[in-house]
Amino acid sequence: KNEVEQSPQNLTAQEGEFITINCSYSVGISALHWLQQHPGGGIVSLFMLSSGKKKHGRLIATINIQEKHSSLHITASHPRDSAVYICAVPMYSGGGADGLTFGKGTHLIIQP
Amino acid sequence: SAVISQKPSRDICQRGTSLTIQCQVDSQVTMMFWYRQQPGQSLTLIATANQGSEATYESGFVIDKFPISRPNLTFSTLTVSNMSPEDSSIYLCSVVRGRSADTQYFGPGTRLTVL
Repeated sequence: KNEVEQSPQNLTAQEGEFITINCSYSVGISALHWLQQHPGGGIVSLFMLSSGKKKHGRLIATINIQEKHSSLHITASHPRDSAVYICAVPMYSGGGADGLTFGKGTHLIIQP
Repeated sequence: SAVISQKPSRDICQRGTSLTIQCQVDSQVTMMFWYRQQPGQSLTLIATANQGSEATYESGFVIDKFPISRPNLTFSTLTVSNMSPEDSSIYLCSVVRGRSADTQYFGPGTRLTVL
């Protein structure tokens, strides 16, 4: 069963700063998910990636399969980026659409 | 993408009662999951809802406490039975369309408070 570690747990930064959130997992996977959770509890899927790098607007996600590590970057951060960012991987190794196991999340606050 | 609705969006219940949460998807999906997020904790998978058969529960979750139904490919229910304050959580439905590790789409969640 996969385990996920995220860091940092909390992060406060000034508007415009470059943000990095890290995620490590224990078991080889087919894909890793980055999710965003807003204060009301709603969850939005940001990225699903299995190799390399993906970019969407100011968000960039990278993954190193050999190292079992992924990073989420936010460029030119803005107060509206304030949320909890969660890394998730399939609960079990191998392919197939498994349920996910989640990191504890990174509480990000961007101050104006 | 998939549009998922959950009902109710929130509820306040008395201990000892039961609440059924509905999850409706706008199109047929392969997999449906139910998750729980206790206050300050990470999301945890309760079970996989299987169409036409019994749900597959994760360790620590049992059918008597969390009965799940999935009568078709677009709808599922989760019941939280004989509730106690420890059941106060956000309950989330998520779906996957394909057979591979496709993007999971999440419902808006049901915020449950048990007094």
